[in-house]
Amino acid sequence: NAGVTQTPKFQVLKTGQSMTLQCAQDMNHNSMYWYRQDPGMGLRLIYYSASEGTTDKGEVPNGYNVSRLNKREFSLRLESAAPSQTSVYFCASSAWGRDTEAFFGQGTRLTVV
Amino acid sequence: LAKTTQPISMDSYEGQEVNITCSHNNIATNDYITWYQQFPSQGPRFIIQGYKTKVTNEVASLFIPADRKSSTLSLPRVSLSDTAVYYCLVGPPGAGFQKLVFGTGTRLLVSP
Repeated sequence: NAGVTQTPKFQVLKTGQSMTLQCAQDMNHNSMYWYRQDPGMGLRLIYYSASEGTTDKGEVPNGYNVSRLNKREFSLRLESAAPSQTSVYFCASSAWGRDTEAFFGQGTRLTVV
Repeated sequence: LAKTTQPISMDSYEGQEVNITCSHNNIATNDYITWYQQFPSQGPRFIIQGYKTKVTNEVASLFIPADRKSSTLSLPRVSLSDTAVYYCLVGPPGAGFQKLVFGTGTRLLVSP
């Protein structure tokens, strides 16, 4: 039972490059989320998807796009990476009716140089 | 949503009981209190949730006084592996996890 799986675990990008962070959950959860965590700070919500086919902006959406490919997968895309996007990115999912209990992936550590 | 206040850091020794208090003075009637734990280089994980009085599970206990303006996460006999950041979140079930705000949490360091 894998839970929430993120790929890759580590990535280094040059400024201006693009990449997609992948996230998949095997718990049949309806809702999925992308957060970023900067050193010494809490998690900040980038985008979320309440259900398949819907996505909404969170607190810090600028510079990112998302795709809810199906119920299992929710990807985060950086079209033109900037050093300010250096961070650890976490994907999470939750079930309807239990949405105060979310399950997180292991994170993707992204460095933009 | 209710704003929460927690100590930035706490230190303890193995075998001691640790109590982390969270203040949430403007908690709403339908809000629940949820605690998450985050180990270094890992995503947060849910540890306990409560509405009032006391909740206990295999990991921790959560004490909530009658006025619900604060809550205390209690970790009995901590070990080195309890070194982590602990987050207190307050919000209503059904509003969506995106409504819950992660503050900076409490960094607990357990020493031998």
